[in-house]
Amino acid sequence: QSVLTQPPSASGTPGQRVTISCSGSSSNIGSDYVYWYQQVPRTAPKLLIYRNNQRPSGVPDRFSGSKSGTSASLVISGLRSEDEADYYCAAWDDSQVVFGGGTKLTVL
Amino acid sequence: QVQLVQSGAEVKKPGSSLKVSCKASGGALSDYTINWVRQAPGQGLEWIGGIMPMFGTAKYAQKLQGRVTISMDGSLSTAYMELSSLRSEDTAVYFCARTAYGDYAAREGLASWGQGTLVTVSS
Repeated sequence: QSVLTQPPSASGTPGQRVTISCSGSSSNIGSDYVYWYQQVPRTAPKLLIYRNNQRPSGVPDRFSGSKSGTSASLVISGLRSEDEADYYCAAWDDSQVVFGGGTKLTVL
Repeated sequence: QVQLVQSGAEVKKPGSSLKVSCKASGGALSDYTINWVRQAPGQGLEWIGGIMPMFGTAKYAQKLQGRVTISMDGSLSTAYMELSSLRSEDTAVYFCARTAYGDYAAREGLASWGQGTLVTVSS
């Protein structure tokens, strides 16, 4: 059972906008930053969003993050086939990093 | 930018210990924080712990406290993760990941990851 809660799956067609949610509590999302990672199967995760809504260099602006209270969201606009991957939210909780269970995104 | 190269796959017996290395390529690790994350087959990501090489201080996940040790070599070019009293549930891919340059508190996330090390615990 993950500390952060994500839907197990999401899907969309090319060009669509998809939102992945992440729910936590006052001890993690409610009091600290949220991070998002993308993992293509059988590869290492990649940092997608840090500090709730900041993109590292090289991450397309199709990816955006937001946070409100104890929940956060990742929005992917203009969905592309290469976005098919697993997405994980993460946050600090009492000096430990906690992850969501992951959301498998399928591009139909 | 410093890249991370991990040691190769391992097969271990239950009850034994494991030591995985994470070597810096293109620089030293002194200006980063190194974290370890694992992923059991078909499962999500689990944080193991992290170390600030510059200061030598490590933090660990409560679940693994007492079984895990994260350390650095003297040249601050290689990080290690040791896990003792291995169980079948420890079968996973183990990743090391570094923060951005100078981000000792990891406030900017885990910016770059090693390739992963598959560890199989089986009798």
